[in-house]
Amino acid sequence: DAGITQSPRHKVTETGTPVTLRCHQTENHRYMYWYRQDPGHGLRLIHYSYGVKDTDKGEVSDGYSVSRSKTEDFLLTLESATSSQTSVYFCAISKAGTGSTDTQYFGPGTRLTVL
Amino acid sequence: GQQVMQIPQYQHVQEGEDFTTYCNSSTTLSNIQWYKQRPGGHPVFLIQLVKSGEVKKQKRLTFQFGEAKKNSSLHITATQTTDVGTYFCAAIRSYNTDKLIFGTGTRLQVFP
Repeated sequence: DAGITQSPRHKVTETGTPVTLRCHQTENHRYMYWYRQDPGHGLRLIHYSYGVKDTDKGEVSDGYSVSRSKTEDFLLTLESATSSQTSVYFCAISKAGTGSTDTQYFGPGTRLTVL
Repeated sequence: GQQVMQIPQYQHVQEGEDFTTYCNSSTTLSNIQWYKQRPGGHPVFLIQLVKSGEVKKQKRLTFQFGEAKKNSSLHITATQTTDVGTYFCAAIRSYNTDKLIFGTGTRLQVFP
């Protein structure tokens, strides 16, 4: 498995509180992605990064922000968590981006519950 | 919204039976990837198809990309209990090259 860690692995929080999830990679890959996985929806892209300080929105970006100040770290922030953001969050990395037919490697996931 | 449809959503088979999952898009795809996710695990890359009509095999798994590059299939011959998991297709639309669009997945259960 690629060197990807996510923290925390599990979190329970209350509606309205801020939450930050961290993805850390040791592969020096340029691209990093945040997905959420919900039953019946598969994996949906929230945000992705194509370099340090370079990020773009995915298909379900509302309510989420990201930051990438270092190659190895990609942070996902829920400014004010809502119950609809209860989900399993996966980070993924790729060396050269999907446009070059590169593959993605996924982290172990973070299970977030918003009460 | 989701533009890559995957069917069936669930499939229960007896060990030794074959299994097929299908992935369909209304738009032409640049390429398609397949991932497997074991229960409680994370998606793991299986294979990528790029050419129209391409067929690739990995032991008991056969992957196919349609001639029009709008559909794909994964066929498992003689399933085993180790095949249990959810299989996802993931596609890149021809005009959007930085984002993978995942299908909704097919959950396979194999009974011994």
